[in-house]
Amino acid sequence: DQQVKQNSPSLSVQEGRISILNCDYTNSMFDYFLWYKKYPAEGPTFLISISSIKDKNEDGRFTVFLNKSAKHLSLHIVPSQPGDSAVYFCAAQWGSARQLTFGSGTQLTVLP
Amino acid sequence: DTGVSQNPRHKITKRGQNVTFRCDPISEHNRLYWYRQTLGQGPEFLTYFQNEAQLEKSRLLSDRFSAERPKGSFSTLEIQRTEQGDSAMYLCASSGNTEAFFGQGTRLTVV
Repeated sequence: DQQVKQNSPSLSVQEGRISILNCDYTNSMFDYFLWYKKYPAEGPTFLISISSIKDKNEDGRFTVFLNKSAKHLSLHIVPSQPGDSAVYFCAAQWGSARQLTFGSGTQLTVLP
Repeated sequence: DTGVSQNPRHKITKRGQNVTFRCDPISEHNRLYWYRQTLGQGPEFLTYFQNEAQLEKSRLLSDRFSAERPKGSFSTLEIQRTEQGDSAMYLCASSGNTEAFFGQGTRLTVV
């Protein structure tokens, strides 16, 4: 039972344009959502997060939107840069242990 | 402190052998997690420590797997009698009260 789903395995975007990565979840107990970025042969790197009591969080070129009624969140990157090319994982937390439940990732390629 | 450190980075072992991985978390973090990642998937939670206490274990953690965090500092993950299905990237993460920071992982190959 996959509680966090990223239905697009890959996405290609032109440099300077907007990248939109999507994530859906099924567990209504999740109260915190995070995006991680991963390069090959490295561990995931934290990018941005959002609490379930908010619907938007912005940090520089990165904005995360949360739609609780639809159990959907998205990551917007604008403008996209070639260095943004990586695998992006959506993750969610709940409970006292705060372990992360990850989606399967989306490979973003930003074309120069 | 340069972040979460994992050793070794790579491990090749024969089926049936035991292996042990080490994780050194960020020093002020009291929470430590182990995850496993296979190709094309996101990391999957294995186990969680708060200080030296192991408080959560996933059903993925079979009885061949054991983890420790003596004195609430570094942690070790041991796999006994390795199987080919154990081949994966093993990731360690630590956190205080906010987001988790990951190490670079240990890539295990069982041949």
